[in-house]
Amino acid sequence: AQKVTQAQTEISVVEKEDVTLDCVYETRDTTYYLFWYKQPPSGELVFLIRRNSFDEQNEISGRYSWNFQKSTSSFNFTITASQVVDSAVYFCALSEFLNSGNTPLVFGKGTRLSVIA
Amino acid sequence: DTGVSQDPRHKITKRGQNVTFRCDPISEHNRLYWYRQTLGQGPEFLTYFQNEAQLEKSRLLSDRFSAERPKGSFSTLEIQRTEQGDSAMYLCASSLKAGGRGEQFFGPGTRLTVL
Repeated sequence: AQKVTQAQTEISVVEKEDVTLDCVYETRDTTYYLFWYKQPPSGELVFLIRRNSFDEQNEISGRYSWNFQKSTSSFNFTITASQVVDSAVYFCALSEFLNSGNTPLVFGKGTRLSVIA
Repeated sequence: DTGVSQDPRHKITKRGQNVTFRCDPISEHNRLYWYRQTLGQGPEFLTYFQNEAQLEKSRLLSDRFSAERPKGSFSTLEIQRTEQGDSAMYLCASSLKAGGRGEQFFGPGTRLTVL
């Protein structure tokens, strides 16, 4: 069975600080995808990043970066120089890849990030 | 706007009434998903379609829930005999099957309140 755990329920940071959101996942499959989504107060889930299980290379995209480690089943997400507009709930999600395509997403419970000016 | 759209955005109903929600996916996306999100939780998968075929429906919460995608384009989610516990945000998402990229794009959701 698949499971995603986000141990941090809420995080508050002061603007311009860096913040890392933790995600730990469980899956029996060797082929899977990991995602981060952002849900601002408006409620709409916004896709941020995707990483497949074949590629552990960590990347940076603007102020976002992620650290994928299969050995610890973790997929952590970092926002550099946080801004007030980053305030939102962030969800980590997992999807397995089958011949029929990707399975539906399994989400964690989310981490509420508050960036204080 | 070529994103996923949902209608209505808000629905207030009395217990026992039936409700139907509509989702229009991104036009070239052949997969469509329904999720439910309650306060303080992540979205929970309900059902999904590839074109008009419903690939998984065992996760629908009860037999009061049903979904259709008759022509492989828009989809409807119906809840019969609503209960107060059905109050939640109902999210629709769409994606492309091909390529295994897997990212799903979500609509704004329909917030259901059952009185």
